[in-house]
Amino acid sequence: DGGITQSPKYLFRKEGQNVTLSCEQNLNHDAMYWYRQDPGQGLRLIYYSQIVNDFQKGDIAEGYSVSREKKESFPLTVTSAQKNPTAFYLCASNFGTVLNQPQHFGDGTRLSIL
Amino acid sequence: KQEVTQIPAALSVPEGENLVLNCSFTDSAIYNLQWFRQDPGKGLTSLLLIQSSQREQTSGRLNASLDKSSGRSTLYIAASQPGDSATYLCAVTPLAQGGSEKLVFGKGTKLTVNP
Repeated sequence: DGGITQSPKYLFRKEGQNVTLSCEQNLNHDAMYWYRQDPGQGLRLIYYSQIVNDFQKGDIAEGYSVSREKKESFPLTVTSAQKNPTAFYLCASNFGTVLNQPQHFGDGTRLSIL
Repeated sequence: KQEVTQIPAALSVPEGENLVLNCSFTDSAIYNLQWFRQDPGKGLTSLLLIQSSQREQTSGRLNASLDKSSGRSTLYIAASQPGDSATYLCAVTPLAQGGSEKLVFGKGTKLTVNP
């Protein structure tokens, strides 16, 4: 089955630690996205990538980093500079570089602070 | 800056009722509008996508309308069922330079359908 796989489902970060969230898709989609969702809030865009080896900052990129070395993969690193990382992180993808088709989402990673 | 608002934040209805969820956006220059469903602890599932040139889209018991000039969209759910209980989010794709590749989301309406 085609889809987006996010791992792990739950992740705990210690003070001063960087952690990496995985996102893999087998939909042959060009564009991939990372969103952050806080309780009672809409989704906020962290980073997105429309092509391999290229990515753009979203609205809340500070304290996060990404890479896009393969079309299928778009990992997100939450660095120690992100002082409030506790949230639900969602990865998404869509075909093409203009959003004229529905966006597909993974099942999310919940990040908490130890 | 485009802003998307969904009212009410939460809605509780008895099973079988027809209901309407509302979405409004501040800038009518949009490429399209999408409605999503989110179950607790899960990702989003796209329900309907309405292009800016369209007035409505239908899928089963769901009907979404778009009035771009007034900045409004509604999601109509007919004969609601307990399985419809979820959070429904609305999102627009801004039609602006460098903006047609990003979605702007509302905060969602949490729907509970009681048996």
